[in-house]
Amino acid sequence: EAQVTQNPRYLITVTGKKLTVTCSQNMNHEYMSWYRQDPGLGLRQIYYSMNVEVTDKGDVPEGYKVSRKEKRNFPLILESPSPNQTSLYFCASRTVNTEAFFGQGTRLTVV
Amino acid sequence: AQKVTQAQTEISVVEKEDVTLDCVYETRDTTYYLFWYKQPPSGELVFLIRRNSFDEQNEISGRYSWNFQKSTSSFNFTITASQVVDSAVYFCAPTTPGGSEKLVFGKGTKLTVNP
Repeated sequence: EAQVTQNPRYLITVTGKKLTVTCSQNMNHEYMSWYRQDPGLGLRQIYYSMNVEVTDKGDVPEGYKVSRKEKRNFPLILESPSPNQTSLYFCASRTVNTEAFFGQGTRLTVV
Repeated sequence: AQKVTQAQTEISVVEKEDVTLDCVYETRDTTYYLFWYKQPPSGELVFLIRRNSFDEQNEISGRYSWNFQKSTSSFNFTITASQVVDSAVYFCAPTTPGGSEKLVFGKGTKLTVNP
C-alpha cells in the first residue's frame, strides 16, 4: 500500500529538549516536504527536498532542520524546541506534477 | 509573488444544498496545476482533484464539479446535494510544473453541513 508514515503521532516535550519526527514514504517519490498547520494560518511549508541531499527552506524554516540521506526518509529535527513550535505537523511526498501524499500528522506540544 | 486566496473562511449550509468553494491563484506563470484537498474532523488530508491551468473545461465527478476561469484565475469547486459527511476544511494548493515543486496552500474554507 502506498503510504507516508510519520512518527510519533503525538508528542509532548519540554522546551529545549531535542526531538526528531520521522517521515518515510514507499512510493519512490523525489519530492518530500514538511508543513505545520496552525489555526487560521492553514498549512505552511517548513522545508522541502527535491531529491537525496537536496533540501531548501520553505516559508517558516526557523528553528527546524531536515536531512535527506535516503530517498525514502525525510526527518524533521527540532534542536531546541520552544512553545511557539507547538503545532500539527505533516510530512508529504510527491512526484512531478502529481498530488501530494500526506502522512497522518504529528501533534506536537512544547511546554 | 504568487498568492493563493480562499476568501471564504467558513461556510454553513443545510444538507442537500449545493455549495461552491472559491480559490484564486495570482501568478505570472501561465502553466500550473492546482489541487484541492479535504481535511475532515479526523485530521487527515485527503486529495480530491487536480486541475491544470490550460484546461478551462468544467468537469464533473459524482457530486463534485469544478471549473477554472482563466480571466480571473479562479478555481471553483462545487459540491452538489451536500451531505453531513462533506463537513471538513477544504484547501486549494497550486504548484508550478517543472520548478521547485513547491506546493503552497490556501488558508482553507471550513464547510459545515447541517442535517
